[in-house]
Amino acid sequence: EVQLVQPGTEVKKPGESLRISCKAAGYSFTTYWIDWVRQMPGKGLEWMGRIDPSDSDTNYSPSFQGHVTISTDKSINTAYLQWSSLKASDTAMYYCARQRYGAYDFDYWGQGTLVSVSS
Amino acid sequence: QSVLTQPPSVSAAPGQKVTISCSGRSSKIGNNYISWYQQLPGTAPKLLIYDNNKRPSGIPDRFSGSKSGTSATLGITGLQTGDEAAYYCATWDSSLSAGVVFGGGTKLTVL
Repeated sequence: EVQLVQPGTEVKKPGESLRISCKAAGYSFTTYWIDWVRQMPGKGLEWMGRIDPSDSDTNYSPSFQGHVTISTDKSINTAYLQWSSLKASDTAMYYCARQRYGAYDFDYWGQGTLVSVSS
Repeated sequence: QSVLTQPPSVSAAPGQKVTISCSGRSSKIGNNYISWYQQLPGTAPKLLIYDNNKRPSGIPDRFSGSKSGTSATLGITGLQTGDEAAYYCATWDSSLSAGVVFGGGTKLTVL
């Protein structure tokens, strides 16, 4: 069974760094791109970027380029999304999703990590 | 503002049919497949339709997708209260800012 497992909640203060994880199971991790999607409170879905775990090739949305970093650790089948300095406006739900092979849609999603940034 | 335009909300009675539209510029929709996602309250999105009109295993045939030119449509027949959710269209933007783009989402209310 394909699973993408994310931690539930992260609570941080402005200016702090954060790395959230997405652990994949049930399939060949290096075969499928992993994408990250943001959903701000009460708002829609926003694509942030993606990574090819086989070679760490990444693409970022212009809206997020330079603000976040996407990476993977193939040895533990895990993708990451990280911030070096959080802002209150980063408060949102963050989903990882597996990109269907050879396509640009997402067939499996993690349950999401709620990131709360407040002083 | 999303580059794919969806109505903010639609509503219909149980058992009825509803359609949700998704329109965009030719560079966004014209040459690329559309996918649709259902997001039930408090849950992660789920893939409903891919490649414009294909359903993943386990998705009932009450859900259908179509595309014509720069517009796509999600259809849901035999509405159930459990269909009450937000629905998003998405596609690949092959312009210079390449990446996935989502519509703004449509909230379906089953009256």
